Amino acid sequence: DIQMTQSPSSLSASVGDRVTITCRASQSISNYLNWYQQKPGKAPKFLIYAASSLQSGVPSRFSGSGSGTDFTLTISNLQPEDFATYYCQQSSSTPPTFGQGTKVEIK
Amino acid sequence: QVQLVQSGAEVKKPGASVKVSCKASGYSFTDYHMHWVRQAPGQGLEWMGWINPNSGGTNYAHKFQGRVTMTRDTSISTAYMELSRLRSDDTAVYFCARERASDWNYSYFDYWGQGTLATVSS
Repeated sequence: DIQMTQSPSSLSASVGDRVTITCRASQSISNYLNWYQQKPGKAPKFLIYAASSLQSGVPSRFSGSGSGTDFTLTISNLQPEDFATYYCQQSSSTPPTFGQGTKVEIK
Repeated sequence: QVQLVQSGAEVKKPGASVKVSCKASGYSFTDYHMHWVRQAPGQGLEWMGWINPNSGGTNYAHKFQGRVTMTRDTSISTAYMELSRLRSDDTAVYFCARERASDWNYSYFDYWGQGTLATVSS
């Protein structure tokens, strides 16, 4: 199975900040990488697929990049509703696997 | 609009089974694979398997093989996930999630159910 490792596990940031979350795959996954946002008590919400393609309706302050084994999710101009936990997920091979999550907290 | 509505919370004793339903609406149920993902309290997301609602074919994570059964009833656009021989560490929120595949075979979970908490306790 492909292991996905996110860093950091948590971070504190202020409204208006630029935040970057890293996701690393244990082997090359090309750009078969998705990102999700999860708020407490809610289901994950799909944000980005193919490493950098934004789902319709997702604000443009979210962006993704990377290929191979190293990927990033960037949130520019952090908004109050962005405080949540973010997960990466690889869809290169079965089983699909998730990173352990990165919690973005209010500073 | 696409909706996945899951059944309510369950409390089970160790060794019992739990069956969770996921009713789909707003799209053609048989056109998309349905996956099940679970999340233990305070933990991350763990994939359990998928069912092809059209054929009934399934693919389970190795960890759950022999304990999980995914079925569907196309007449009511509902998918089911049954987990047997429950242990305390099966306590988790169980989600159904629709798989969407785009060009170049990029797949992702675009819609999720609200989650069903299954508590395993003696």
